[in-house]
Amino acid sequence: KQEVTQIPAALSVPEGENLVLNCSFTDSAIYNLQWFRQDPGKGLTSLLLIQSSQREQTSGRLNASLDKSSGRSTLYIAASQPGDSATYLCAVKEYGNKLVFGAGTILRVKS
Amino acid sequence: GAGVSQTPSNKVTEKGKYVELRCDPISGHTALYWYRQSLGQGPEFLIYFQGTGAADDSGLPNDRFFAVRPEGSVSTLKIQRTERGDSAVYLCASSLWGDRSYNEQFFGPGTRLTVL
Repeated sequence: KQEVTQIPAALSVPEGENLVLNCSFTDSAIYNLQWFRQDPGKGLTSLLLIQSSQREQTSGRLNASLDKSSGRSTLYIAASQPGDSATYLCAVKEYGNKLVFGAGTILRVKS
Repeated sequence: GAGVSQTPSNKVTEKGKYVELRCDPISGHTALYWYRQSLGQGPEFLIYFQGTGAADDSGLPNDRFFAVRPEGSVSTLKIQRTERGDSAVYLCASSLWGDRSYNEQFFGPGTRLTVL
């Protein structure tokens, strides 16, 4: 059974810092990996999707990498801002098409 | 265009009652998913529709839960004899197709269900 783990569970940083969020998964047989953002009381916003054949994806200040063989992904956020404060979730898409999520990392960026 | 919408946004009910939660996917999306998110956890898969048929319902916790998508667009999640443990945020997502590696799922805002 696929298990997704996110480390750290919570992170508090001063504005302007670069930071890395980690995601690991136990079964490398995946279609893709997605990173989401969730604001309190809201749904999920997709940030980046990395296909299983890709190594990384970039969007603005965000960069996500995927090492499928070792079951790891990282989300790098450059020059963090208070507006980046949210919960960040990673999810792997299995061949059955469902997403399996981690529990998330709660990020707080202090101004 | 419009994103995934869900109604109601909040639902409070009493233990033992029946509830229906509705999801309107993005127009043209053939695949639709239901997830459930408990406090402090990531979403957990419930059921996946490809068109009108349930392609994977392995995540439904028991036979009190049922979902339909009769015309391949709007979907309704139905919960019978609700229990306090059913309290959670129910999320709906849709995607253009189901089985592609570049296929991105887009989520709605969720329905917060509280069973008293």
